Amino acid sequence: NAGVTQTPKFRILKIGQSMTLQCAQDMNHNYMYWYRQDPGMGLKLIYYSVGAGITDKGEVPNGYNVSRSTTEDFPLRLELAAPSQTSVYFCASRLGQGSYEQYFGPGTRLTVT
Amino acid sequence: QQQVKQSPQSLIVQKGGIPIINCAYENTAFDYFPWYQQFPGKGPALLIAIRPDVSEKKEGRFTISFNKSAKQFSLHIMDSQPGDSATYFCAPAGSGYNKLIFGAGTRLAVHP
Repeated sequence: NAGVTQTPKFRILKIGQSMTLQCAQDMNHNYMYWYRQDPGMGLKLIYYSVGAGITDKGEVPNGYNVSRSTTEDFPLRLELAAPSQTSVYFCASRLGQGSYEQYFGPGTRLTVT
Repeated sequence: QQQVKQSPQSLIVQKGGIPIINCAYENTAFDYFPWYQQFPGKGPALLIAIRPDVSEKKEGRFTISFNKSAKQFSLHIMDSQPGDSATYFCAPAGSGYNKLIFGAGTRLAVHP
């Protein structure tokens, strides 16, 4: 199993551009999550999904959108990038009810200038 | 407002020392209390976790102590090694969707 994979690893965006961060998992997990980590800080939840077709907002959803058309994939869309979105983005997955461990991907480092 | 306060912010110990990291929370609905370990350039990984029905859990050199009445839990690392140098996060969650609420992190350095 590859676990949770994220692409790209690094990206530089100009203000106002858009992009999609990709996340995929091959563990047949039901739950998936997107977090952002600012320098020297803990992770904050952006969006999460409890299954294909079901998504919900986390703590800091503004400026982002998600979709979950398959169990494996959970892309994060940034529209009109702003400098405040400069961060490291982590995707995570969890099997489901009764299983609490979240498995994290390696992260995408995004800079908006 | 869910809030998690982690201390200390950074910690330096000598090899063999016992670093202790603390986490205080406000939300009494939390029922899952994990510690995650993160190495530079990597995603966090679950280190150890406890449910509120026990006061202590040990896995190898790592121990969680849980004080429900004080709304605190802590991580103890016995016989610490340079390879334990990392950032540690507490991240309690409530049942159901398991939305982890991360503390700000503790950067641990274990000197040889």
